[in-house]
Amino acid sequence: AQSVSQHNHHVILSEAASLELGCNYSYGGTVNLFWYVQYPGQHLQLLLKYFSGDPLVKGIKGFEAEFIKSKFSFNLRKPSVQWSDTAEYFCAVNNPFWAGGTSYGKLTFGQGTILTVHP
Amino acid sequence: ETGVTQSPTHLIKTRGQQVTLRCSSQSGHNTVSWYQQALGQGPQFIFQYYREEENGRGNFPPRFSGLQFPNYSSELNVNALELDDSALYLCASSLGYEQYFGPGTRLTVT
Repeated sequence: AQSVSQHNHHVILSEAASLELGCNYSYGGTVNLFWYVQYPGQHLQLLLKYFSGDPLVKGIKGFEAEFIKSKFSFNLRKPSVQWSDTAEYFCAVNNPFWAGGTSYGKLTFGQGTILTVHP
Repeated sequence: ETGVTQSPTHLIKTRGQQVTLRCSSQSGHNTVSWYQQALGQGPQFIFQYYREEENGRGNFPPRFSGLQFPNYSSELNVNALELDDSALYLCASSLGYEQYFGPGTRLTVT
């Protein structure tokens, strides 16, 4: 069974600091990769996704992530964080060929990383 | 806003009772997935419905069941509630590989 591991449970930064959140997954086949964000009191929102092609993907709000197939990693980065980035971040993996041809597959989530940004 | 709505927002039930949670999918989305998110954890996949048929199931017992209706809305039913069922239940709708989440239903079992 595939699994997703996020390296840090809680990251605390000051505004303008750079951010990198680690994500590793266990499945060796074709995967789709996602980062979701959950702002306080809000629902899960898609931050960015990787399906194929350029392994460096850009998402909303200045976030980007790099897919490194050899390391089974999909780390999230942002050059300069803002107080409004305070949220919980989830890495998720989807195996697009799981459970038959009509299924778009389940998402397997990491345990989440809480990011606190101090002004 | 994703267009995915869930009801109710909060619910308190007693151990042994049954509960039904509801989800309206985003317009045009024919697939609905349900997830359980315990406090401090990432969401765990319960099951997925595609065109009214269960299309995959996670590691949850049979007392977790569901339905999808012709308009693609969905229900999650949990029988014989246990204290460990206390969690945020998330519904996600999709047309392809991207899943869009609703705000969730917070279930507390006492």
